Amino acid sequence: QIQESGPQLVMPSQTLALTCSVSGGVIRNTDENWGWIRQSPGKGLEWIGHIHYTGSADYNPSLESRTRISVDTSKNEVSLRLTSLTGADTAVYYCVRDLGSLPAFDVWGRGTLVTVSS
Amino acid sequence: IVLTQSPAALSLSPGETATLSCRSSQSVGSYVAWYQQRPGQAPRLLIYEASKRATGIPARFSGSGSGTDFTLTISSLEPEDFAIYYCQQRSFWPGFGGGTRIQIK
Repeated sequence: QIQESGPQLVMPSQTLALTCSVSGGVIRNTDENWGWIRQSPGKGLEWIGHIHYTGSADYNPSLESRTRISVDTSKNEVSLRLTSLTGADTAVYYCVRDLGSLPAFDVWGRGTLVTVSS
Repeated sequence: IVLTQSPAALSLSPGETATLSCRSSQSVGSYVAWYQQRPGQAPRLLIYEASKRATGIPARFSGSGSGTDFTLTISSLEPEDFAIYYCQQRSFWPGFGGGTRIQIK
């Protein structure tokens, strides 16, 4: 199971920091990437990026300049930082497992709604 | 790569068959997945690699296609199947279609 946590309200121009906690297993599997997808009414589902336990990460080019994903294998956690927020970043943010052998997003967290507003 | 799903909405009765289309602007081989999203829930993986059912998915869900044209078929709709369905490609970075809503007629 995976569970997202973080602030529900963030001010414009600030930085969003979310954490994904993975339980019932470990992040250190070669075949898995752990990532983030967001869903907003205006843009639908949007892949943000993912990371392998080795630290190798890939990002959506449209968000790459503002995004950093990191992994802490000792805590079984994946983190997302998204900078320079605007109202367009208001969305439900999902943590997902990206299983290379499928390849698809086979495990999703429940999601956390983040609102960017002053 | 742009994924276009059609129709945007489908009105059907339980027991009927739903046929959903997903068209890609470029060939994505067989790297298409389908997801179901019920209200207030996260998407759930149904189909990967165009035609392979994910673990625990009923046989009434089937996928087909390759290249640029893909189809999700749901035979004999159950009440819990009325939801939104998304296709997703994996050719370069992952991208999603805009979704098809199946609603009760």
